[in-house]
Amino acid sequence: QQPVQSPQAVILREGEDAVINCSSSKALYSVHWYRQKHGEAPVFLMILLKGGEQKGHEKISASFNEKKQQSSLYLTASQLSYSGTYFCGTETLGTGANSKLTFGKGITLSVRP
Amino acid sequence: DAGVTQSPTHLIKTRGQQVTLRCSPKSGHDTVSWYQQALGQGPQFIFQYYEEEERQRGNFPDRFSGHQFPNYSSELNVNALLLGDSALYLCACRLSGFEQYFGAGTRFTVT
Repeated sequence: QQPVQSPQAVILREGEDAVINCSSSKALYSVHWYRQKHGEAPVFLMILLKGGEQKGHEKISASFNEKKQQSSLYLTASQLSYSGTYFCGTETLGTGANSKLTFGKGITLSVRP
Repeated sequence: DAGVTQSPTHLIKTRGQQVTLRCSPKSGHDTVSWYQQALGQGPQFIFQYYEEEERQRGNFPDRFSGHQFPNYSSELNVNALLLGDSALYLCACRLSGFEQYFGAGTRFTVT
């Protein structure tokens, strides 16, 4: 089942902060975050694993609430380059550590000067 | 270390024809997945290959098939093309339990 992302769209001024969310109705093994710019491939940002392990880019932070099956991506001091569509992809618990990712519909984030 | 390479980058085919898309994963990344991404949507999982076998499959008809070679590269084949098959096709590779990396994709149009 597809994870639900919120809000649908975010508009920021350069330097402002934003939080975007991903929620699943299923127990999750991991959550993966990607950013995709128009006409380009999704770029890996962060992976969060059940148990607390996470790996990603230095300037990106995220959380994974295992009880609620929710993840949030925190964008601080936003830059123009942060603009794009943000997707979360989820791996369901019990399907193995190398399972398919099910992606949400994405959140469009626009950073303006 | 080269990233994920897909070919061709763009392709136009006629309804009813067959197409083959190719993917070369990052060095050592043994698991390859294929996704279809329609405009304005998230990537939809087609299937995954590991050790030259299809390990998982999404909700796609048998017209979609694939193959993985001993060097981990992979092909996606689509037969009897329909207009609805037009989309961006993404290849993604990963090491078990770690992050997944996408290629630039093949933008595919069926006319």
